[in-house]
Amino acid sequence: EAGVAQSPRYKIIEKRQSVAFWCNPISGHATLYWYQQILGQGPKLLIQFQNNGVVDDSQLPKDRFSAERLKGVDSTLKIQPAKLEDSAVYLCASSYDAGGGGRWDEQFFGPGTRLTVL
Amino acid sequence: GENVEQHPSTLSVQEGDSAVIKCTYSDSASNYFPWYKQELGKRPQLIIDIRSNVGEKKDQRIAVTLNKTAKHFSLHITETQPEDSAVYFCAASIYGNKLVFGAGTILRVKS
Repeated sequence: EAGVAQSPRYKIIEKRQSVAFWCNPISGHATLYWYQQILGQGPKLLIQFQNNGVVDDSQLPKDRFSAERLKGVDSTLKIQPAKLEDSAVYLCASSYDAGGGGRWDEQFFGPGTRLTVL
Repeated sequence: GENVEQHPSTLSVQEGDSAVIKCTYSDSASNYFPWYKQELGKRPQLIIDIRSNVGEKKDQRIAVTLNKTAKHFSLHITETQPEDSAVYFCAASIYGNKLVFGAGTILRVKS
């Protein structure tokens, strides 16, 4: 099966600029996650969607970050305005939902988008 | 919320030796504990996971143990090979929701 797709793979911007990342989950996966992975650290969950509803966004800096998942499939994550500390790899992951059967809690990660803020 | 601590931060072993990485979690409601391997510049890849209804799971050279009472779980890699060199992350969640990762362990296998 095709994996989680993300674009762009790399992005370099100046601070205070805006940037957007795109994610296409594995077909049939109802749950989609966005993680921020700062160099040398484990991934940190930013937001979790179940279909097109938000399950958890408690660690999303809502003054500058926003995310949406229209039609319950693709998702975009936006940062506006970017700060130096936003430099990180942004990982998208997907999984089945509780009603999907199979290994519903296993998360599959995309290749990530490496963001550098100068 | 959940907090996951992982030790050691770096681990060097000789090829053929065993490696053990340990994690503790804080939320007794957590019931799903995956382990991910991440090579430099690559995505995290699930290598093994364990659910709270079992105490041990093995897959070839990799095994994971879970002690719910003590709230800790461990990854065991036997007969290590150079290709096992990577960063390993433990994580904890409730039914896969709100996955919280440890800080990672850099494993170096010396040949």
